[in-house]
Amino acid sequence: GAGVSQSPSNKVTEKGKDVELRCDPISGHTALYWYRQSLGQGLEFLIYFQGNSAPDKSGLPSDRFSAERTGGSVSTLTIQRTQQEDSAVYLCASSLAEGFTDTQYFGPGTRLTVL
Amino acid sequence: QKEVEQNSGPLSVPEGAIASLNCTYSDRGSQSFFWYRQYSGKSPELIMFIYSNGDKEDGRFTAQLNKASQYVSLLIRDSQPSDSATYLCAALYSSASKIIFGSGTRLSIRP
Repeated sequence: GAGVSQSPSNKVTEKGKDVELRCDPISGHTALYWYRQSLGQGLEFLIYFQGNSAPDKSGLPSDRFSAERTGGSVSTLTIQRTQQEDSAVYLCASSLAEGFTDTQYFGPGTRLTVL
Repeated sequence: QKEVEQNSGPLSVPEGAIASLNCTYSDRGSQSFFWYRQYSGKSPELIMFIYSNGDKEDGRFTAQLNKASQYVSLLIRDSQPSDSATYLCAALYSSASKIIFGSGTRLSIRP
């Protein structure tokens, strides 16, 4: 079956522009996670959607970041007024069950470069 | 102080030997801990998670947790060149709504 897909795979934008990153989780997976990874760094957790519950947004690095998940499936991470420090690989993952202890399957990531 | 700390390495281990990867965490309320493997240019993949004190074994991998010392480790027996990767340790925050990753340890298995 299809894995987690993300689009675009690469995004180059100018400082100050808004960007939208999309994640299609594995069909039937109830939980969806967003992370980012800067060059040579570990993963930074951003946000987690579980079922229809409202997500805990405290992991988002600033109020320029927002995320939504429509119909319990596709998710969009939006970054407004991008800054150079937003440059990173943004990874999405999904898991069958809610809670971090279920195996998360990662997508290939979106590499964001802010000039 | 970082919430999850790992030695960045690189850790070089001869093929066939035991590789030992270590991680400490600061949130005493953390309950679950994870080890991910990440090959260069690829997405992470979960190797194991552990939430009880002691050892948990899965094939060549053994995770060890010591909550009193706030210490998690991953042992890889009979190391293979294909084990060469960056290993990320992570702790599930006590609120269970956030996971914190270390910066990873780069492991190199030399033939």
